[in-house]
Amino acid sequence: DSGVTQTPKHLITATGQRVTLRCSPRSGDLSVYWYQQSLDQGLQFLIQYYNGEERAKGNILERFSAQQFPDLHSELNLSSLELGDSALYFCASSGETGDQPQHFGDGTRLSIL
Amino acid sequence: QKEVEQDPGPLSVPEGAIVSLNCTYSNSAFQYFMWYRQYSRKGPELLMYTYSSGNKEDGRFTAQVDKSSKYISLFIRDSQPSDSATYLCAMSSYNTDKLIFGTGTRLQVFP
Repeated sequence: DSGVTQTPKHLITATGQRVTLRCSPRSGDLSVYWYQQSLDQGLQFLIQYYNGEERAKGNILERFSAQQFPDLHSELNLSSLELGDSALYFCASSGETGDQPQHFGDGTRLSIL
Repeated sequence: QKEVEQDPGPLSVPEGAIVSLNCTYSNSAFQYFMWYRQYSRKGPELLMYTYSSGNKEDGRFTAQVDKSSKYISLFIRDSQPSDSATYLCAMSSYNTDKLIFGTGTRLQVFP
């Protein structure tokens, strides 16, 4: 068990809808990262938050947004969903300094019908 | 060309074999190198974490980094059926925490 908790485990929804994925980092970790894993693209970095502030952005679509709350949990919001958004979404967390490894949760599987 | 290249496999070996998994990369700014193991329907699990060049050993696992060749390896000794999983290499540079992943190598260890 990595200590990173993601909910829900599986989401099934339709095109055009909006969903929220939730992540609780390991105790003491200030950084939260979101990644998308698809069959054709592999694991791709989306966005990083550090202690409530956005720190880095990757290949995140404008339809997607995230935030980190004062209790350090994070939410990834996906809107105007398209079939191509079907993927596994992983959250990871790490300690304060940049040289701390990232530990991953078990992901949320998003299925768009 | 992808920043990180990894043979997708699958790699099928008998129990007890030594397994060698490899990644090559193109960005000379990478300083931190990781190997993750991912079982089906699970998240990536950190196996090894190394900084810069050199070797690191942890039980049956040995990670090697050769920055001059832009090449990293993971060796698994005395492989077990429970080692059957997808192995992902990942890297980051000194000025960003963003991980760049290889596509993963699927390993099957048969009894």
